Amino acid sequence: DGGITQSPKYLFRKEGQNVTLSCEQNLNHDAMYWYRQDPGQGLRLIYYSQIVNDFQKGDIAEGYSVSREKKESFPLTVTSAQKNPTAFYLCASSSGPRAFFGPGTRLTVL
Amino acid sequence: DQQVKQNSPSLSVQEGRISILNCDYTNSMFDYFLWYKKYPAEGPTFLISISSIKDKNEDGRFTVFLNKSAKHLSLHIVPSQPGDSAVYFCAAKETGANNLFFGTGTRLTVIP
Repeated sequence: DGGITQSPKYLFRKEGQNVTLSCEQNLNHDAMYWYRQDPGQGLRLIYYSQIVNDFQKGDIAEGYSVSREKKESFPLTVTSAQKNPTAFYLCASSSGPRAFFGPGTRLTVL
Repeated sequence: DQQVKQNSPSLSVQEGRISILNCDYTNSMFDYFLWYKKYPAEGPTFLISISSIKDKNEDGRFTVFLNKSAKHLSLHIVPSQPGDSAVYFCAAKETGANNLFFGTGTRLTVIP
């Protein structure tokens, strides 16, 4: 069954800790993306990757880091430098103009 | 600055009537537009799209209209059903790029 998986669905972190969000896809898509959703705002692009071992910053990359060592995987690390990390994080992939989204991870910083 | 704008945060419509969701954009380099539907605590799902070479695309109850001169697009849902209640996001991409720019969303409530 093809799709995008994100884990975990809910994540709690203490202030000052780094945390990594997982994103895996088996759609054989080259491009992968991380978006963040906050109440009353649209989806804002954090990072994207067009191909393995390459990625670019999106609009709100500060305080985040990514890696793309495999085509299927695009993990996002939320570092302690991110000032307001509590949000809903969405991973997506595409092979053309249409993006397919995972179910999301809700990160809460305590 | 928000390049894709959805100025109505919410819309309520009676079941069976038409729902019209609006979206405006500022970037003339956008050449492809999409609508996504999102339920709470889930990822958005693709609904319908339109290329800038067209002014209308229809898929069942859903029709998207594009007015390039006004930099405006709209999504029509006819007839509206209670299951259509969700947040709808408008998105756009630039020529030659794959990343999408999203609007802030419109919450549609269809009243039975």
